Parts: sequence; C-alpha cells; structure tokens
Amino acid sequence: EVQLVESGGGLVKPGGSLRLSCAASGFTFSNAWMIWVRQAPGKGLEWVGRIKSKTDGGTTDYAAPVKGRFTISRDDSKNTLYLQMNSLKTEDTAVYYCTTATYYYDISAWANDASDIWGQGTMVTVSS
Amino acid sequence: SYELTQPPSVSVSPGQTARITCSGDALPKKYAYWYQQKSGQAPVPVIYEDSKRPSGIPERFSGSSSGTMATLTISGAQVEDEADYYCYSTDSSANHRVFGGGTKLTVL
Repeated sequence: EVQLVESGGGLVKPGGSLRLSCAASGFTFSNAWMIWVRQAPGKGLEWVGRIKSKTDGGTTDYAAPVKGRFTISRDDSKNTLYLQMNSLKTEDTAVYYCTTATYYYDISAWANDASDIWGQGTMVTVSS
Repeated sequence: SYELTQPPSVSVSPGQTARITCSGDALPKKYAYWYQQKSGQAPVPVIYEDSKRPSGIPERFSGSSSGTMATLTISGAQVEDEADYYCYSTDSSANHRVFGGGTKLTVL
C-alpha cells in the first residue's frame, strides 16, 4: 500500500525557516516524481512545487509565490522527500501535503504533472 | 497567470445527477483532473486525464471534456459524496499548474 507521511510542521515566526519531511513507502520512491501542495485554512488547494526523479533529471519547479524561498529535495536512500521553507510569510500558513505525481508529455513535449496519492498533511503556522 | 473556474456550490437530492464544471482556456489541449476532499481529510483523486477513473472510485463518477470546459458527473449522487471538488490542469506551456477554486457539493 502506498503511504506518504508528512512531518515537521509547527509554529514559526515570520522570516523564519522550517523543513518538512515526507516519508514514502509502498512504491519505488526513486522512480517517482513528487509534488507538494498546500491549503490555507478555509481556502482551496495550491500547487507549491515538483521534483522529478533523478533518472529524469531530478529537476525542480516552483509556484511563483514560493520561488526563491522554498526548495524541494529528495533522499532516495531514505525514501524521503523534503520541503525547505525559508523567509516564511504569514500567507504561507497552510496544511502542506506531499503527493506522488502522475505526468504526461503534451504535443509540445512539455511535461504536465498532477497529484496522485496524497499524504495526510502537516500544518505550518507562520505567526508572531 | 492561468485560471480554472468552477461554480462555488452545487446542490442535488440523493439519487440525482450532479454535474460540476471547470472552465479554462487551455483545456482543449490539456487534461483535467478532479479531486474530492471531504471535511477534515486529504484530497483523493476521482478522475484523471479527463475521463479515467482510478481503481476504487465508484462507477457513478465520470468525467468528460469538450472545448474549454471539463465536467465531473456524479450519476445517482449519494449522501457520502458530499465534499469539496477541485479540478486541476496546466496552462498551454505547462508553466502554471492550477487548481480551480473548488465546488462544494451538497447532497440532501
């Protein structure tokens, strides 16, 4: 059974940093593209970023609101995904979900990814 | 930036057909995905690549896409289908990944 377990959430002051982890099991993690999605309290879903598998280049992509502040990485030896969040703002307050990704290449050869299996999420609160 | 537009709410009686729409300019060329989120739970995919149903999702859930609109149809909606539903897709260059604003489905 595919399982994703996020951890590392908590309360942090504006300008602070936090690192989230996502422990994966039940599938070949090293072959998987992975995505982080967040949801602010009472709001909708927001795509945060994606990392490809190392065999596909291991490259990352980020949503505009977090680009330059957040970094996604992976440790395939530990089956773990990370989200390093720096320069946190109050608007980053949200539940952060780790997801596996499904993807396809369109006729222009762009890679289009989407979330598949979701973890239960971890809450991050940015407040003074 | 790119946007996907959904109605904020849809309401049906049990056994009726619920249709939730999602409009976006790039949908003629891009797949739509649909997620169900029940209160206090993580989202679950119910439709992927416009019309494919993941294993374990009831047959009453179906998806379609035509032009700039994708539609999630729940045929014979059940009380347990009450949830928020989000569509998801990408823009023409796959630079922007976007969720729709979500539709609250009420079945009563």
